[in-house]
Amino acid sequence: GNSVTQMEGPVTLSEEAFLTINCTYTATGYPSLFWYVQYPGEGLQLLLKATKADDKGSNKGFEATYRKETTSFHLEKGSVQVSDSAVYFCALSVGTGGFKTIFGAGTRLFVKA
Amino acid sequence: GAVVSQHPSWVICKSGTSVKIECRSLDFQATTMFWYRQFPKQSLMLMATSNEGSKATYEQGVEKDKFLINHASLTLSTLTVTSAHPEDSSFYICSGAGSLDGEQFFGPGTRLTVL
Repeated sequence: GNSVTQMEGPVTLSEEAFLTINCTYTATGYPSLFWYVQYPGEGLQLLLKATKADDKGSNKGFEATYRKETTSFHLEKGSVQVSDSAVYFCALSVGTGGFKTIFGAGTRLFVKA
Repeated sequence: GAVVSQHPSWVICKSGTSVKIECRSLDFQATTMFWYRQFPKQSLMLMATSNEGSKATYEQGVEKDKFLINHASLTLSTLTVTSAHPEDSSFYICSGAGSLDGEQFFGPGTRLTVL
């Protein structure tokens, strides 16, 4: 079946630290991969995506590379800010007729000033 | 990205009443809409998938007679929580998909509190 596993949080970092949130997946077929971010009290926003192997998604200083050989899509940012504090969800979508999305459990990030 | 709105953003109701939540895609046609439920500090749980003009497909364990979903147009889907009880209190999020790569556009969510 299809599933997403991401590292448990919370992750606490100081401002300007390097961030990595690990995400691995299992999927039948060829999934698209996504990172969504949820700020407190809000819905989810797409952060970045990659639709095929070796694609790199990037946005707002965050990036993730679709690694088919390791079935991974780790999220990285070189220098986090307090405003990056949020919950990050790794997700995959595969198939036609609706593209059901499977979400990871989410990783809460706290960035301290 | 595309915009999805939800209304209301929060609602408080008495036990036994029904509550309707609207989800609208404002600048794209959402051929498929999804309804999720999110408990505090947890991930999203998919409740159902609806295609415009068709009956919704519910996930295992979700009562279709309790959570009525209507997707009457390409820009509007509604979720009605019938005879709500305190255990139905949650954050309900909808999303719309109109592209071919599976990207979903999420509404801001509706917080339902049943007293």
